[in-house]
Amino acid sequence: EIQLQESGPGLVKPSQSLSLTCSVTGYTITSGYDWSWIRKFPGNKMEWMGYISYSGSTNYNPSLKSRISITRDTSKNQFFLQLNSVTTEDTATYYCARQQLYLRWFAYWGQGTLVTVSS
Amino acid sequence: DIVLTQSPATLSVTPGESVSLSCRASQGISTSIHWYQQKSNESPRLLIKYASQSISGIPSRFSGSGSGTDFTLSINRVESEDFSVYYCQQSYSLPLTFGSGTKLEIK
Repeated sequence: EIQLQESGPGLVKPSQSLSLTCSVTGYTITSGYDWSWIRKFPGNKMEWMGYISYSGSTNYNPSLKSRISITRDTSKNQFFLQLNSVTTEDTATYYCARQQLYLRWFAYWGQGTLVTVSS
Repeated sequence: DIVLTQSPATLSVTPGESVSLSCRASQGISTSIHWYQQKSNESPRLLIKYASQSISGIPSRFSGSGSGTDFTLSINRVESEDFSVYYCQQSYSLPLTFGSGTKLEIK
């Protein structure tokens, strides 16, 4: 069965970059689907950040477009999130998820990782 | 962006009651709405896709309805394991957006 697992620093300083890895097992990310990052802020608001498709194309939430990059390492079956110039407002639990191609629902999620932005 | 408004924010019920959770879209989105359940310290779980389509492994007491701008998630006879937060998500247009959630709590 497919599993996704986020990893990365739990604490990032303001103005620095946030970098997270999503490791996927049970499915090859180049075989299909889109691979998304979603975050949940304190207070429960959820935000879709963007995705990288099985073909390698990307699509980002315009609210983040100048700060976000999603890339992948197909040899390791991983995809990555980089968010630049973070502020305390980027403190959230970050999830990676598999996004249904074209239909865009999320059937598989990682367990989430809390990232706190603080000096 | 399409804004999804969920109501109520909190719903207090007794186990065994049946409930309806609302999700309203800021514009017509056909049936492009999906529902998730999130328990504390867990990741979201897909309950319903495309407004009313069931998901394998999800109990039959969960059902969805609606089209256009108004959508409903219904839980027939709430069980203790159902007390959690419920989100709707639209896939009609990018950026994908989520509602603010409805917390179902024990009365």
